Amino acid sequence: QSVLTQPPSVSGAPGQRVTISCTGSSTNIGAGYDVHWYKYVAGTAPKLLIYGNNNRPSGVPDRFSGSKSGTSASLAISGLQAEDEADYHCQSYDRSLSALVFGGGTKLTVL
Amino acid sequence: EVQLLESGGGLVQPGGSLRLSCAASGFTFSNYAMSWVRQAPGKGLEWVSAISDSGGTTYYADSVRGRFTISRDNSKNTLYLQMSSLTAEDTAVYYCAKHTTNWYYFDYWGQGTLVTVSS
Repeated sequence: QSVLTQPPSVSGAPGQRVTISCTGSSTNIGAGYDVHWYKYVAGTAPKLLIYGNNNRPSGVPDRFSGSKSGTSASLAISGLQAEDEADYHCQSYDRSLSALVFGGGTKLTVL
Repeated sequence: EVQLLESGGGLVQPGGSLRLSCAASGFTFSNYAMSWVRQAPGKGLEWVSAISDSGGTTYYADSVRGRFTISRDNSKNTLYLQMSSLTAEDTAVYYCAKHTTNWYYFDYWGQGTLVTVSS
């Protein structure tokens, strides 16, 4: 059981917009710790997608955006493309566990 | 270009030991904290252990504390994870990951090495 909760899967057609939620608690996201997002394609290295809740590293398209409110965060992907099909993981820090924590991952399927 | 290349994974019997390595290149290794993160089959990512840039401070998840030891050799640009008393629950792909100057997240990951604990 992951400390952060994500939906197991989401899907959307090319060109559509999807969001992936990441729900935590008062000891992690709700405590003010930032949320970060990673994209993972099987057999490759995970890639940093969003850091500090809503910042994109250079090279990440502006189709990807992040937000955070209360004990939850969201990743939004607009203008879906086939290459977006991957697993997406959220990550934060939990002060009661003194540990970096992850969500269970969400598989995005582009229909 | 930042590269992280893990090695040392394989099949090990329950109760056995294994040492993973992560060879780093493309950045000043001694300036950054590093971590090991794992993903068990069908599960989410799990942070395992971290080490400060100098190697002087280490951190562990409760699930591995007392069994795993993280270390680094800054002269060799290499990160290590010594794993002992392994159980089936340790079966996973193990990734090394580079922290940013903000310790709380990672900007680069390796492709991982598979550890299978089975008799």
